[in-house]
Amino acid sequence: AQSVAQPEDQVNVAEGNPLTVKCTYSVSGNPYLFWYVQYPNRGLQFLLKYITGDNLVKGSYGFEAEFNKSQTSFHLKKPSALVSDSALYFCAVRPPDGSSNTGKLIFGQGTTLQVKP
Amino acid sequence: NAGVTQTPKFRVLKTGQSMTLLCAQDMNHEYMYWYRQDPGMGLRLIHYSVGEGTTAKGEVPDGYNVSRLKKQNFLLGLESAAPSQTSVYFCASSYGGIINEQFFGPGTRLTVL
Repeated sequence: AQSVAQPEDQVNVAEGNPLTVKCTYSVSGNPYLFWYVQYPNRGLQFLLKYITGDNLVKGSYGFEAEFNKSQTSFHLKKPSALVSDSALYFCAVRPPDGSSNTGKLIFGQGTTLQVKP
Repeated sequence: NAGVTQTPKFRVLKTGQSMTLLCAQDMNHEYMYWYRQDPGMGLRLIHYSVGEGTTAKGEVPDGYNVSRLKKQNFLLGLESAAPSQTSVYFCASSYGGIINEQFFGPGTRLTVL
């Protein structure tokens, strides 16, 4: 079965420190991978995506993510965390299913990032 | 551009009542989606549409119906609400294709008593 796992319910970091939010996936073939962020009482906002090419993808607000095919991972990173980065982060995968073209996404359960001053 | 808007923002229903959630987008997107978000479960796709006049079932379609009579609108209906449908509902839209990111509305918080 196709799935996405975010092994940490919550990640705590101090402001100014680097942060990593982990994501692993299980799909057949080459996946399309996304990160979204959700601030309290808001909808999800797109951060970045990996489709093909360079394994290191840069996105909004200084975030980046590294695609690792051998480890089936797509971890979200930022060199220096801000208190304003505190939010709920979702990893999502779009399997390369040739039988449909709906853009359907499979979401992980989400990781709460808490950045303390 | 308003982006994706959802109406209403909050609603409380009694078991057995019906209601319709409205989603509107002004980005001329072809694809639209309805998700529900429950604690610890991420987002789950209820129904989706790949164009005006078309709809399809997602991961958790039971108890819901949808319609896409106009390209910019996607309606989600609950014919007979149940407490298990208490959730936060998000609408999203995209240009289409498997690599295009989805744009989300602000959500509707629904409580079924």
